[in-house]
Amino acid sequence: EAGVVQSPRYKIIEKKQPVAFWCNPISGHNTLYWYRQNLGQGPELLIRYENEEAVDDSQLPKDRFSAERLKGVDSTLKIQPAELGDSAVYLCASSPTGGRVTGELFFGEGSRLTVL
Amino acid sequence: AQSVTQPDIHITVSEGASLELRCNYSYGATPYLFWYVQSPGQGLQLLLKYFSGDTLVQGIKGFEAEFKRSQSSFNLRKPSVHWSDAAEYFCAVANTGNQFYFGTGTSLTVIP
Repeated sequence: EAGVVQSPRYKIIEKKQPVAFWCNPISGHNTLYWYRQNLGQGPELLIRYENEEAVDDSQLPKDRFSAERLKGVDSTLKIQPAELGDSAVYLCASSPTGGRVTGELFFGEGSRLTVL
Repeated sequence: AQSVTQPDIHITVSEGASLELRCNYSYGATPYLFWYVQSPGQGLQLLLKYFSGDTLVQGIKGFEAEFKRSQSSFNLRKPSVHWSDAAEYFCAVANTGNQFYFGTGTSLTVIP
């Protein structure tokens, strides 16, 4: 069974440029998460989807970040415009459970963003 | 609010020595607890999890962890460390609403 797939693995852009990251979760996993991981830190939640609904986006900087999960399968996270402080690894994770049932997270390999 | 504290930023052990990584959590109800490992340039891989039942849980790669409610702890242990165990280790707590909170991680170096 394929794991969580993310692309691109690496992205280098200049500040003020846009960037997008794509995630395809494990088949059948209804819940999808986007995390940001700064160097030397643990993952911090940006947004969580249950199917196509964003159920927790309180930590998403909505002035420059946006996300979508059309049809409740794969998802895209966009930053426009990027700032120097956005340099980080963006992790996608999926879970087979949702609602009030908690299950483990399965992570992709991440997308490392460097903003110059 | 839930939170996780991993007091050790970096630990160095000799190969073959025992290992214990500390994790303390803050959560009002019975937590769901996890340990994940992250190798350089990789995503996080689940080592083990505690949902309920036996407070000593076994995981992959010879790791185990013990849930101690009285101490709000979920420490990770391994009796004999291998060089391939060198990585970053993250403790996480989750609630019944699928909200996960991660610690800042402990970096493990293994000396030959």
